[in-house]
Amino acid sequence: DTAVSQTPKYLVTQMGNDKSIKCEQNLGHDTMYWYKQDSKKFLKIMFSYNNKELIINETVPNRFSPKSPDKAHLNLHINSLELGDSAVYFCASSPGLSGNTIYFGEGSWLTVV
Amino acid sequence: AQKITQTQPGMFVQEKEAVTLDCTYDTSDPSYGLFWYKQPSSGEMIFLIYQGSYDQQNATEGRYSLNFQKARKSANLVISASQLGDSAMYFCAMREGDGGYNKLIFGAGTRLAVHP
Repeated sequence: DTAVSQTPKYLVTQMGNDKSIKCEQNLGHDTMYWYKQDSKKFLKIMFSYNNKELIINETVPNRFSPKSPDKAHLNLHINSLELGDSAVYFCASSPGLSGNTIYFGEGSWLTVV
Repeated sequence: AQKITQTQPGMFVQEKEAVTLDCTYDTSDPSYGLFWYKQPSSGEMIFLIYQGSYDQQNATEGRYSLNFQKARKSANLVISASQLGDSAMYFCAMREGDGGYNKLIFGAGTRLAVHP
C-alpha cells in the first residue's frame, strides 16, 4: 500500500474551473502538507496541518483552500483555476511538527489550458 | 540570500563510481535539519537521508551518506557505487529550528546522470 497517496495523478482542466486534489496517508502521522513544484522544478510549501489544524499558510492565493476532515486526509481545492496554477502538487506527511522524516506522495500533475 | 544552494545543475558519473552532490545552506538558527530527496523521471519524491544539526556523526543510509561540515554549512550527499537507477533529480532541503513545523526549504536540485 502506498503510504501517502494522491488522486488524481493527472488533471487537465480549463481556466476558470474549480478542481480538487485528494490526499490520504496511512502512516498514522499527525502532520500533513501541500507543496507546489513549478515548471523549473522548484518546490515550495503551501500549507501544513497538524491534527486537522492549519499551521502554515505560505501566502497562497485564497483561491486555494485546504481541507482536513481528519488527520489522515488533507485535500486541496482550487477555485477559478488560472494558467499559472499549472504545476505538480505534492502532498506529504510527517509524524509530528518536527523530526527527521517527511514522506511525499507521488504528485498530482495539474495542467490548466 | 538563498537558504539552500545546489551549485551543480547537472552531474555525470560512470556506473559503479562514487559521486558527490553539493549542498550549502544558510541559517542563523542553531537547530535545524537537512534532508535529501530523489526525484526520478516518474516524478515521485523519495526521501533518502536526514542529518540533524546536533548529530555528531554523519548520517548514512545504505549507499547514501551525508558529508556534514557544520562550520562550512555544507551537507553534501555522497552516493557510492552508482547504479543506472540513480539517474534522477536530487534535492537538498532544510528545516530551520525545532519549531520549524517541518517547513522544508528546497534547493534548485541537481540532475544526476549515471552512464554505463
